[in-house]
Amino acid sequence: DAGVIQSPRHEVTEMGQEVTLRCKPISGHDYLFWYRQTMMRGLELLIYFNNNVPIDDSGMPEDRFSAKMPNASFSTLKIQPSEPRDSAVYFCASSPSGPPGLNEQFFGPGTRLTVL
Amino acid sequence: LAKTTQPISMDSYEGQEVNITCSHNNIATNDYITWYQQFPSQGPRFIIQGYKTKVTNEVASLFIPADRKSSTLSLPRVSLSDTAVYYCLVGDIKGGGYNKLIFGAGTRLAVHP
Repeated sequence: DAGVIQSPRHEVTEMGQEVTLRCKPISGHDYLFWYRQTMMRGLELLIYFNNNVPIDDSGMPEDRFSAKMPNASFSTLKIQPSEPRDSAVYFCASSPSGPPGLNEQFFGPGTRLTVL
Repeated sequence: LAKTTQPISMDSYEGQEVNITCSHNNIATNDYITWYQQFPSQGPRFIIQGYKTKVTNEVASLFIPADRKSSTLSLPRVSLSDTAVYYCLVGDIKGGGYNKLIFGAGTRLAVHP
């Protein structure tokens, strides 16, 4: 398996523009997670899905952020409109379900977003 | 979710054993302890997970005392490539794979020649 695939790897945009980040999880994984990492705030969980259904979006910073998972092999994180403070590395991760304690999440390479 | 405390940074030299201790005084009965490693410009990578006593895999060992209020990640004979940030996480894992993880600041390990 190729692992979790994210695109684009780098994105530079101007304030006010719409940004869409994409993720393809590992085939067969039931859980998909979106994280954001900055120097100031570290690695934050934004939202996660189970079987394509959003379970917990309490980490989504505000209404400008939205995430979808239309099928088991694809998810998007959209920021509209983008702001300079959204600049960060965005990671997507997936994991299989299983017995208690099985907790390994597989992370993608991340998308480095810069909003000018 | 239980809060974790670990050192901000550590330094070591090639060939030494490194032990990183994490405190989690409020760990609950259902919580497992998990460690992740993150290299610069990469996503975190799972290292090891345990519930109690000792767990060992090809990368590291995890020591958990009986009261489970702390845990120690042990890296045998580190090399320069082990320079990374190491995260200790305590997760409320329920049956069926509830996998929400909260990452803290981590421990920045620097291995020197």
